[in-house]
Amino acid sequence: SYELTQPPSVSVSPGQTARITCSGDALPKKYAYWYQQKSGQAPVLVIYEDTKRPSEIPERFSGSSSGTMATLTISGAQVEDEADYYCYSTDSGGNHRMFGGGTKLTVL
Amino acid sequence: QVQLVQSGAEVKRPGASVKVSCKVSGYTLTDLSMHWVRQAPGKGLEWMGGFDYEEGERIHAQKFQGRVTMTEDTSTDTAYMELSSLTSEDTAVYYCAAKSPALHCTSPSCRSSAFDIWAQGTMVTVSS
Repeated sequence: SYELTQPPSVSVSPGQTARITCSGDALPKKYAYWYQQKSGQAPVLVIYEDTKRPSEIPERFSGSSSGTMATLTISGAQVEDEADYYCYSTDSGGNHRMFGGGTKLTVL
Repeated sequence: QVQLVQSGAEVKRPGASVKVSCKVSGYTLTDLSMHWVRQAPGKGLEWMGGFDYEEGERIHAQKFQGRVTMTEDTSTDTAYMELSSLTSEDTAVYYCAAKSPALHCTSPSCRSSAFDIWAQGTMVTVSS
């Protein structure tokens, strides 16, 4: 079955750049979406269609995709960016949608 | 501004069914492609199913085949997700989520994937 693979954890110091990857065989053909989830809260969409950012999301959040890997980049990560981040996409047929396993971002 | 509000927490016995509601305000339900996502305690997000805008039909994850029913009442702008034959592994927070009409997408599939509106979640506990 199709899977989206993320690293379990990423750690950076405040002000550094955090990069979270998502690997999937269908990503060359399918868009990736990124969600941020802080403890006890509902998820928030931070990147859609690989690179687009909702208007309320800070500019330090950006997305890219190359080959079978999509990347969420947080330039100048801040303490308030500590959260779990999930990628979301579909298999090549478009019917099997899924989230990646999630990446816990620590900023300290 | 679109808002989604779900029904309250539920406690169910194994083998029972649960029906969670999701009320839309600010827009009509037909403006949205409603999806359902769940999260077991301490675990990641799991997509359950929803309305696929491209296919024009509801789809769901294979693991819920035969157990999940997603319906909509357009007269009250309320979506429902019913899950049957509950086990302890169904203990989770259940969310409804959708893309708001204000979010501009390029691809048709985006409408069924860019969930920028989420409800507060409904905790469902399955315990004997």
